[in-house]
Amino acid sequence: EAGVVQSPRYKIIEKKQPVAFWCNPISGHNTLYWYRQNLGQGPELLIRYENEEAVDDSQLPKDRFSAERLKGVDSTLKIQPAELGDSAVYLCASSPEGGRATEQFFGPGTRLTVL
Amino acid sequence: AQSVTQLDSQVPVFEEAPVELRCNYSSSVSVYLFWYVQYPNQGLQLLLKYLSGSTLVKGINGFEAEFNKSQTSFHLRKPSVHISDTAEYFCAVKGSGNTPLVFGKGTRLSVIA
Repeated sequence: EAGVVQSPRYKIIEKKQPVAFWCNPISGHNTLYWYRQNLGQGPELLIRYENEEAVDDSQLPKDRFSAERLKGVDSTLKIQPAELGDSAVYLCASSPEGGRATEQFFGPGTRLTVL
Repeated sequence: AQSVTQLDSQVPVFEEAPVELRCNYSSSVSVYLFWYVQYPNQGLQLLLKYLSGSTLVKGINGFEAEFNKSQTSFHLRKPSVHISDTAEYFCAVKGSGNTPLVFGKGTRLSVIA
């Protein structure tokens, strides 16, 4: 069974440029999460989707970040414009049981460097 | 809100020696506890989890952890480490219902030959 797929794996951009990350969850997993992991820190939740609905986006900086999950499968996380402080690893995870799930499966992440 | 404290940011240990990585969480009526491992340039992989029942939980790669409710701890242990165990280890906690998974800051385990 394929795991969570993310692309690109690495991205280097200049500040003020836009950037987008893509995630394909494990087949059949209704719940999708985006996390940000700053250097030397644990992951922090940005947004959680149940199918195509964003049910928890309280930690998403909505002035520059946006996300979508069309058709309840793949998801895209966008930053526009990027700032130096956005440099981090962006992790996508999925689970089959919704917000009550006790296990999340993580992708390899996208490492973003903003210059 | 839940919180997790990993008391050691770095733990160096010699190969074949035992290791304990410490984790404390904020108290709650019911919690689920997890340990994840992250190898360089990879995502997080679940090592083990405590949901209910026996307080001693065994996971993959010879790791185990013990849930201690009175001390609100969930320390990770391995009796004999290998070079391949060098990685970042994250403790995480989740409350019941639709609550988020909250991670600690991680502990970098370095196994020395």
